[in-house]
Amino acid sequence: NAGVTQTPKFQVLKTGQSMTLQCAQDMNHEYMSWYRQDPGMGLRLIHYSVGAGITDQGEVPNGYNVSRSTTEDFPLRLLSAAPSQTSVYFCASSGRLATDTQYFGPGTRLTVL
Amino acid sequence: AQRVTQPEKLLSVFKGAPVELKCNYSYSGSPELFWYVQYSRQRLQLLLRHISRESIKGFTADLNKGETSFHLKKPFAQEEDSAMYYCALVGGSQGNLIFGKGTKLSVKP
Repeated sequence: NAGVTQTPKFQVLKTGQSMTLQCAQDMNHEYMSWYRQDPGMGLRLIHYSVGAGITDQGEVPNGYNVSRSTTEDFPLRLLSAAPSQTSVYFCASSGRLATDTQYFGPGTRLTVL
Repeated sequence: AQRVTQPEKLLSVFKGAPVELKCNYSYSGSPELFWYVQYSRQRLQLLLRHISRESIKGFTADLNKGETSFHLKKPFAQEEDSAMYYCALVGGSQGNLIFGKGTKLSVKP
């Protein structure tokens, strides 16, 4: 099993550009989530999904969209990138609930100029 | 509001010394608490959860409801314990993980 994979590993964007961060898991997990990690701020939840076709907002959803058309994939879209979105983004998955062991991807380091 | 506080950004100890990473939480009800760890160049991973009451890599954590704490302890630190440690709570209206800001542990030889 590859576990949780994320692409790209690094990305540089200009202000106003859009892009999609990819996340996939091969463990048949129902629960998937996106976090951003900023120095001194820990990990903050952006969006999460409890199954295909179901998504909801986390703590810091503004400027991001998600969809969950399959169990495996959970892409994160930046609609119009802003410097405040410079961060490291982590995708995670777990069996059904947030209380189940979370398996994290390797992260995507995004810089917005 | 549910909240996790890790008061130390950085904790530095010598090899063989005891280590305690502090975690305090704010939650009404019975909390579910976790410690996640991120070693250098590795993925964030679960270290332990309070409900299993187990020791992982020599680390233990006891839930103290009176003090609303879930401190992580190890009697003898090893250099390979150097990492970023996050305390987390399942809370919020949707029952998602709420992370603290993390403590970087540095174990010196």
